[in-house]
Amino acid sequence: RKEVEQDPGPFNVPEGATVAFNCTYSNSASQSFFWYRQDCRKEPKLLMSVYSSGNEDGRFTAQLNRASQYISLLIRDSKLSDSATYLCVVNDPGFQKLVFGTGTRLLVSP
Amino acid sequence: GAGVSQSPSNKVTEKGKDVELRCDPISGHTALYWYRQSLGQGLEFLIYFQGNSAPDKSGLPSDRFSAERTGGSVSTLTIQRTQQEDSAVYLCASSLAGPADTQYFGPGTRLTVL
Repeated sequence: RKEVEQDPGPFNVPEGATVAFNCTYSNSASQSFFWYRQDCRKEPKLLMSVYSSGNEDGRFTAQLNRASQYISLLIRDSKLSDSATYLCVVNDPGFQKLVFGTGTRLLVSP
Repeated sequence: GAGVSQSPSNKVTEKGKDVELRCDPISGHTALYWYRQSLGQGLEFLIYFQGNSAPDKSGLPSDRFSAERTGGSVSTLTIQRTQQEDSAVYLCASSLAGPADTQYFGPGTRLTVL
């Protein structure tokens, strides 16, 4: 089983739609969780950290479910500029590193 | 402020040659990471430096790969006797304290081995 698994997509949605991505992780000892965004041929950039109680940043909401070991990202009112690959990132406490998922590709169309 | 910088941005080399890739982390960041990303693939961890501690080399794919970090700042990733399968984007990131912190990525070096 991969340490971090994501549906690769692509998710094709129209502008204004709400879309949600899930990510599962295998290490129950993981404590830090993030969503990064990567545009085509660009470097990943932090979108938001994921906190135990869930957190919101504008149109973006992240949730953590420790019991089921999954993380979600909800994007409301999708914009064309949201088109990108969204990377789920989890820390591996045993090896002191972050593990990146392979990403979920989102395409928002007019 | 200045972000993570990498050089060169693009490198084309012939199979069998050695290459050096450079990373300048954000000033004050103690942790530095190297990853590589092949076309359409996820990030593959290569090596992690934390302060003056011995680096975590667990991700290096072979002994042709090595990296050093001088003075706790600039890092160089060296690939000896390059192979075509080494072609990828090599990304460097730094974070303030350690792996649980936000990692800030440089723009990457796109390596093409002919």
